[in-house]
Amino acid sequence: EVQLVESGGGLVQPGGSLRLSCAASGFTFSGHGMSWVRQAPGKGLEWLSVISDSGSNTHHADSVKGRFTISRDNSKNTLYLQMNSLRAEDTAVYYCARRDRSGQHYFDDWGQGTVVTVSS
Amino acid sequence: QTVVTQEPSFSVSPGGTVTLTCGLSSGSVSTSYYPSWYQQPPGQAPRTLIYNTNTRSSGVPDRFSGSILGNKAALTITGAQADDESDYYCVLYMSSGISVFGGGTKLTVL
Repeated sequence: EVQLVESGGGLVQPGGSLRLSCAASGFTFSGHGMSWVRQAPGKGLEWLSVISDSGSNTHHADSVKGRFTISRDNSKNTLYLQMNSLRAEDTAVYYCARRDRSGQHYFDDWGQGTVVTVSS
Repeated sequence: QTVVTQEPSFSVSPGGTVTLTCGLSSGSVSTSYYPSWYQQPPGQAPRTLIYNTNTRSSGVPDRFSGSILGNKAALTITGAQADDESDYYCVLYMSSGISVFGGGTKLTVL
């Protein structure tokens, strides 16, 4: 069974940093691209970042470019999101999502999310 | 900037049929965007429903179907049930792994 378990969320002050983790199990982690998606309170889903299966290619949404960095450690089956210069508008539930490996460009599994609150 | 449009809300009667759509602020949605659809019940994580325009994800009942209608992607729910009451999101694939979510449609079954 595929499992994606996010952790690392919490309360952080504006301007602070946080690193989220997503522990993967039940599948060959190194065979899939991965993404981060967030949802601000009462708002819709927002795609943030993607990383290729090897980790050699990454892309970020304009809203987080230069502040957030996606990475992965295939030896640990773990995805990361380093978040710097956090703002109040970054308050959200952060989900990791597995990308399909069939070339059909969709998210085929989701974690349960971790909550990040940016507030003084 | 690419904006993916969805109806903010929709309602359907139990047993009824509803079609939600997914468009682009400029241009037409085609299969080249690999439209996918996700269901998010209140307080839960998203669940994958449809990918590559019209392929149902594993375990998704055939009451859910995807298509291209005119210049938009569409999700049709036939025989709506109470537990279909959720937020529904479409996603369009742009390129190089970049995806864009629509704003979501809140579906009420009453």
